Amino acid sequence: QTVVTQEPSFSVSPGGTVTLTCGLTSGSVSTNYYPSWYQQTPGQAPRTLVHSSDTRSSGVPDRFSGSILGNKAALTITGAQADDESDYYCGLYMGSGIWVFGGGTKLTVL
Amino acid sequence: EVQLVESGGGLIQPGGSLRLSCAASGFTVNSDYMSWVRQVPGKGLEWVSVVYSGGNTYYADSVKGRFTISRDNSKNTLYLQMNTLRAEDTAVYYCARLARYAFHLWGQGTMVTVSS
Repeated sequence: QTVVTQEPSFSVSPGGTVTLTCGLTSGSVSTNYYPSWYQQTPGQAPRTLVHSSDTRSSGVPDRFSGSILGNKAALTITGAQADDESDYYCGLYMGSGIWVFGGGTKLTVL
Repeated sequence: EVQLVESGGGLIQPGGSLRLSCAASGFTVNSDYMSWVRQVPGKGLEWVSVVYSGGNTYYADSVKGRFTISRDNSKNTLYLQMNTLRAEDTAVYYCARLARYAFHLWGQGTMVTVSS
């Protein structure tokens, strides 16, 4: 069974740049998986950041950008701010009506 | 205002049944793909089920045969009927509206606890 992989944790300095990735244990992530990215803080519902690999959702600051890097989907935060400290999840459409989320990355800004 | 409001969660014994509701406003549930996603407190997101605008339904293997997704267009409400509940079904359940294969609108979630 293919699993969606994410870094369990990442740290970035305020004002710094960080790239979170979303891969597969078997195969490569491509645009055919329609990668999406979500931000979640404790006690809150997820917030959609990016869909279709690189399209920012309405109201999302342009310091968040999505892409395909090599064989993975990626979320880059440029100029990280303190309130970017959150959990980040990627989601992939696997086809045949099935979606899968990655295990999430806990981002610390310090 | 476009929003989703879940209800129906609670404490249920193993083997029991529960029906979750998700009331939509600002759009019609039968016009979009609608989904349920759950999250064990402190853990990651897990996709559960989807109903397409055309009526096709799909489920994660972990709930297939036990859960049923449906919608009532007259009430503009999405449902999740959960049968034969297990301890591992304990989670916050979110309903979500899909577009372009992504989950764009989320409810606030409803907690389901399966315990004796």
